[in-house]
Amino acid sequence: NAGVTQTPKFQVLKTGQSMTLQCAQDMNHEYMSWYRQDPGMGLRLIHYSVGAGITDQGEVPNGYNVSRSTTEDFPLRLLSAAPSQTSVYFCASSHRDRGLKYGYTFGSGTRLTVV
Amino acid sequence: AQKITQTQPGMFVQEKEAVTLDCTYDTSDQSYGLFWYKQPSSGEMIFLIYQGSYDEQNATEGRYSLNFQKARKSANLVISASQLGDSAMYFCAMTASGTYKYIFGTGTRLKVLA
Repeated sequence: NAGVTQTPKFQVLKTGQSMTLQCAQDMNHEYMSWYRQDPGMGLRLIHYSVGAGITDQGEVPNGYNVSRSTTEDFPLRLLSAAPSQTSVYFCASSHRDRGLKYGYTFGSGTRLTVV
Repeated sequence: AQKITQTQPGMFVQEKEAVTLDCTYDTSDQSYGLFWYKQPSSGEMIFLIYQGSYDEQNATEGRYSLNFQKARKSANLVISASQLGDSAMYFCAMTASGTYKYIFGTGTRLKVLA
């Protein structure tokens, strides 16, 4: 199994540009979420989904959109990139019925720089 | 509101010795989960250990154990017999009420010395 696959691994954007960070998992996990990691601040939840067609906001949702049309995919859209969105982005997924005790499976991250 | 506090930005430990990484949390929920993740320099997040708020025994996974003191709201990670490969950033996290929404601490960078 590939686990959680994030693309691209690196991206440089100009202020005002839009883009989509891709996330796909092949483990049939119901729960998927996006986090951003900034120095000294740990990871913060942007958006999450408990299943196909269901999404909700996390701690820092402004400037980002998500959709969950399939169980496998959970793309994150930056609507109009700003330098404050320079960060490392992680997608993570988890199986509902296995419970919390197995934790999340994280993707390898996308390092985004907005200039 | 929930909060995770990791007060040790960085720590050193000698190879083969044990080390404790501190984590305190704040929540008004009765049901919650506590987690530790490892982030090596390569950047990936690796799940280490989980403790449920109703679990009476401390969780253990190989060389990792979680020292859970509910009354003090602490969930310290103990790594026994440290190895050079344990050098990494370690994050404490919690979830509340059966949700899968994590709150993370700011992390502790551990350096294992040969």
